[in-house]
Amino acid sequence: EPEVTQTPSHQVTQMGQEVILRCVPISNHLYFYWYRQILGQKVEFLVSFYNNEISEKSEIFDDQFSVERPDGSNFTLKIRSTKLEDSAMYFCASLTGSLGTGELFFGEGSRLTVL
Amino acid sequence: SQKIEQNSEALNIQEGKTATLTCNYTNYSPAYLQWYRQDPGRGPVFLLLIRENEKEKRKERLKVTFDTTLKQSLFHITASQPADSATYLCALPHGSSNTGKLIFGQGTTLQVKP
Repeated sequence: EPEVTQTPSHQVTQMGQEVILRCVPISNHLYFYWYRQILGQKVEFLVSFYNNEISEKSEIFDDQFSVERPDGSNFTLKIRSTKLEDSAMYFCASLTGSLGTGELFFGEGSRLTVL
Repeated sequence: SQKIEQNSEALNIQEGKTATLTCNYTNYSPAYLQWYRQDPGRGPVFLLLIRENEKEKRKERLKVTFDTTLKQSLFHITASQPADSATYLCALPHGSSNTGKLIFGQGTTLQVKP
């Protein structure tokens, strides 16, 4: 069964460092997302990406965050200068071409720990 | 603003019984509602989608109901098994979004005891 893959599974970084989280969505999917989940809290939306541009972003997704799909397969989330409060599980998700009916396929997540 | 509420208390039941989880929402009328399962440290896994014009949906031992008047969905697992132990998340499309964005509830943790 096709799946969304994410790397790294766990990253520890110092506050102020840049982090790049990588995702390979399911190949024929058209919509891509990043969500995050702080320990013990809800899964919360960060950003959606379609047709090589951001289609929507949350208020969490400030100037420190960026996404890109550099080569048509990888989908990356960059945090430019990490803060302690960025510590969370980051989930990549993808969706087929049908917005109104689609289930989100999530990856297993990248756990980010900022010290 | 849109709000989704799930019972934050863990639900403990005996194997073989039916588990019933509740999702309530306020301040909008979603076109559909989804349920996901999440195991500790792992990503959510889609289980079922029910549309606003559907009262009930079934998939194997799972059943979901959707009452748009009460603004509530119930999620049932019949003949529960210890392997059903997980956190179950309710999710709805963001009211003003046309991007597939979902808003998740905080989840209810189910523990099925053998």
